[in-house]
Amino acid sequence: EAGVAQSPRYKIIEKRQSVAFWCNPISGHATLYWYQQILGQGPKLLIQFQNNGVVDDSQLPKDRFSAERLKGVDSTLKIQPAKLEDSAVYLCASSLDIGRASSGNTIYFGEGSWLTVV
Amino acid sequence: KNQVEQSPQSLIILEGKNCTLQCNYTVSPFSNLRWYKQDTGRGPVSLTIMTFSENTKSNGRYTATLDADTKQSSLHITASQLSDSASYICVVSPGFQKLVFGTGTRLLVSP
Repeated sequence: EAGVAQSPRYKIIEKRQSVAFWCNPISGHATLYWYQQILGQGPKLLIQFQNNGVVDDSQLPKDRFSAERLKGVDSTLKIQPAKLEDSAVYLCASSLDIGRASSGNTIYFGEGSWLTVV
Repeated sequence: KNQVEQSPQSLIILEGKNCTLQCNYTVSPFSNLRWYKQDTGRGPVSLTIMTFSENTKSNGRYTATLDADTKQSSLHITASQLSDSASYICVVSPGFQKLVFGTGTRLLVSP
């Protein structure tokens, strides 16, 4: 089975520029997550979708970050304008069904998109 | 406040040796606890998932234990290999939407 696909893998931009990351979850997975992982830290949830609806975006810096999941399949995360502190790995993950998360559904991560803001 | 603490922060062991990584959590309510392995430059990969009623779960040379009373978990790696060099992240779910991540233990297996 194909895993979670992300692109681009690496991106270097100047501060105040914009960047967009794309994610295609595992086929049939209703729940899609975007995490930000700063070097040496654990992932931090930015936004969580179930199908094309937002379940949790409480930690998303909405003044500069936006995300959408049109048609409930693939998703795009955008940062505009970027700041130096946005340098991180942006991980996309998916799981079969949010309702089953409490019973331990596996969450599958993509390889991440590495962002460096200079 | 929901927190997951891992120790040690980093660890170096010789190839072939065993090691144990620790995870303490203050997440409530408790739904499940997961261990992930994250190779450098890669996304996390699930090793084990344990619910309240499970106190031991194995995945090859990896064995996770859970003590829900003391809110502690451990990940034991047997007969370590060079490919075990990675960060190991403990993740606790209070249910449904939420996952609380630890900061990970960086393991280096030396030849």
